[in-house]
Amino acid sequence: QQQVKQSPQSLIVQKGGISIINCAYENTAFDYFPWYQQFPGKGPALLIAIRPDVSEKKEGRFTISFNKSAKQFSLHIMDSQPGDSATYFCAASKSDSSYKLIFGSGTRLLVRP
Amino acid sequence: EAGVVQSPRYKIIEKKQPVAFWCNPISGHNTLYWYLQNLGQGPELLIRYENEEAVDDSQLPKDRFSAERLKGVDSTLKIQPAELGDSAVYLCASSLNAGSYEQYFGPGTRLTVT
Repeated sequence: QQQVKQSPQSLIVQKGGISIINCAYENTAFDYFPWYQQFPGKGPALLIAIRPDVSEKKEGRFTISFNKSAKQFSLHIMDSQPGDSATYFCAASKSDSSYKLIFGSGTRLLVRP
Repeated sequence: EAGVVQSPRYKIIEKKQPVAFWCNPISGHNTLYWYLQNLGQGPELLIRYENEEAVDDSQLPKDRFSAERLKGVDSTLKIQPAELGDSAVYLCASSLNAGSYEQYFGPGTRLTVT
């Protein structure tokens, strides 16, 4: 059962553009929504996360937008740079399930110079 | 501060052979996770430890997989015997304690079973 659906599977953006990755979840008990960035040969690195009591969180060029009623959240990367080229995973967890992270299927982002 | 350490980074074995992976979490982190990441997919939880206790091993295939965290610090994940379908990246993650949402991952061990 796929509880977190991520799209698109791949994304190509020009340098300086905005990268947008979307995720949808099914379980309304989820209460933590992180985004991870993974470079080839590396483990996932925590990028930014949001709790459902806020609709937006911004850290530098990275912003999470959260829509609780639609059960959707998205990652926006402003002024995308070639160094942002990586695979991005959204995830969700809930405190009553041992904080187990349920990951999306990933988005491969390529930022062209 | 050192991050999560895993070894080996790469392992190639023949099917039916045993294999073991080692993980040392971030210092002071009491919660340790083992995840499996198949190519092109997100990680999936295998087992979670709180100190030395395995508190969630529902996704661990217990017929061939085992794990231990004897002193509540470093951990070992074992597969015996390995099958072709076990080829994947095995990731270890840690968090401060049972009530912490943030999980920090190691670089993983890439296993290839031939």
